[in-house]
Amino acid sequence: GAVVSQHPSWVICKSGTSVKIECRSLDFQATTMFWYRQFPKQSLMLMATSNEGSKATYEQGVEKDKFLINHASLTLSTLTVTSAHPEDSSFYICSASSGRGLANEQFFGPGTRLTVL
Amino acid sequence: DAKTTQPPSMDCAEGRAANLPCNHSTISGNEYVYWYRQIHSQGPQYIIHGLKNNETNEMASLIITEDRKSSTLILPHATLRDTAVYYCIVRAITGNQFYFGTGTSLTVIP
Repeated sequence: GAVVSQHPSWVICKSGTSVKIECRSLDFQATTMFWYRQFPKQSLMLMATSNEGSKATYEQGVEKDKFLINHASLTLSTLTVTSAHPEDSSFYICSASSGRGLANEQFFGPGTRLTVL
Repeated sequence: DAKTTQPPSMDCAEGRAANLPCNHSTISGNEYVYWYRQIHSQGPQYIIHGLKNNETNEMASLIITEDRKSSTLILPHATLRDTAVYYCIVRAITGNQFYFGTGTSLTVIP
């Protein structure tokens, strides 16, 4: 149980185009989903937190107009990188939480590697 | 911001116990200690978590000091597949966000 998937697993796009990444909780309802970004040899950096049906909360320094997050259902969140540029090339990881239990555990997806040419 | 300090790297011989330390001297009374690991180019994998008592599961043991200012993750019999970056994270019981620190890169040597 507690499986989170991401699609696509990797994507290459031209500079200036937009890319959408999907995050799905396959066997549980995710009241909250999180998006992280990870550059090579660095740690995961939290970008934003999204609750189903409401606007995402972005971490300081993350441009909300560039990284559009939609969490329209309890099993799906999407991250759209708008007008992507080479510096947006990174490993994007989502996680999901059902909000249940004392530990309020998060389950991570396998990540999406974005390369912007 | 991450509230933990970990050594950047460690080596461990295959079959031996791997002991990964974590310092969280500013931990609050309502914060859990979580451990995740990330194998290269994959999403983080949950290992274990605890509040103040020692915990054990099929993957590892977590030893938390009495003052809760530090903890140690123990992989009892390390295998080559345990080579990964291990992250120690503290978070409030009712909290949502995980803020990752720099982690410890563990290399298991044949």
